[in-house]
Amino acid sequence: EPEVTQTPSHQVTQMGQEVILRCVPISNHLYFYWYRQILGQKVEFLVSFYNNEISEKSEIFDDQFSVERPDGSNFTLKIRSTKLEDSAMYFCASSEALYQETQYFGPGTRLLVL
Amino acid sequence: SQQGEEDPQALSIQEGENATMNCSYKTSINNLQWYRQNSGRGLVHLILIRSNEREKHSGRLRVTLDTSKKSSSLLITASRAADTASYFCATDVGAQKLVFGQGTRLTINP
Repeated sequence: EPEVTQTPSHQVTQMGQEVILRCVPISNHLYFYWYRQILGQKVEFLVSFYNNEISEKSEIFDDQFSVERPDGSNFTLKIRSTKLEDSAMYFCASSEALYQETQYFGPGTRLLVL
Repeated sequence: SQQGEEDPQALSIQEGENATMNCSYKTSINNLQWYRQNSGRGLVHLILIRSNEREKHSGRLRVTLDTSKKSSSLLITASRAADTASYFCATDVGAQKLVFGQGTRLTINP
């Protein structure tokens, strides 16, 4: 069964450093998403992406965040200058269509900012 | 209350018993999805129920949706130790994002 994959599974970085989290969505899916989950808290939407552009973003997704689909398979989330409060589990998800469709989540990348 | 709140926050039952978790939400939805998360792991999709559906089954799972009460329930029948996890409801409000609840931590005791 096709699945969303994410790399790395864990990342430790120093405050102020840039990190890139990578995702390979399910191959025939057209819509891509990033969510995050701070330890012990809810899963929160960050951004959705379609047709090579952001379709929706939350207030969390400020100028230090960016997303890109650099090729036909990868979908990345870049955090330009990490802060302590960026420590969280980051989930990538994809769906085949926009409405009434299941979002399939990857296993997550646990980011720890020191 | 916030969009997508689960109740109870924690539930502990004996193996073989049924587990029922509830979710309430505030705004109109396109669909509601239930996910499972094992400790510190990814989100596994369980079931999607559309706003025009009232009940859906998948194996040992039964989901109901009452749009007049803005609530949903997830029933797991004949629970197993492997069902121990956190369960989240997520509402699709049509804004290209899912809004998750806080989750119910389910523990199945052998």
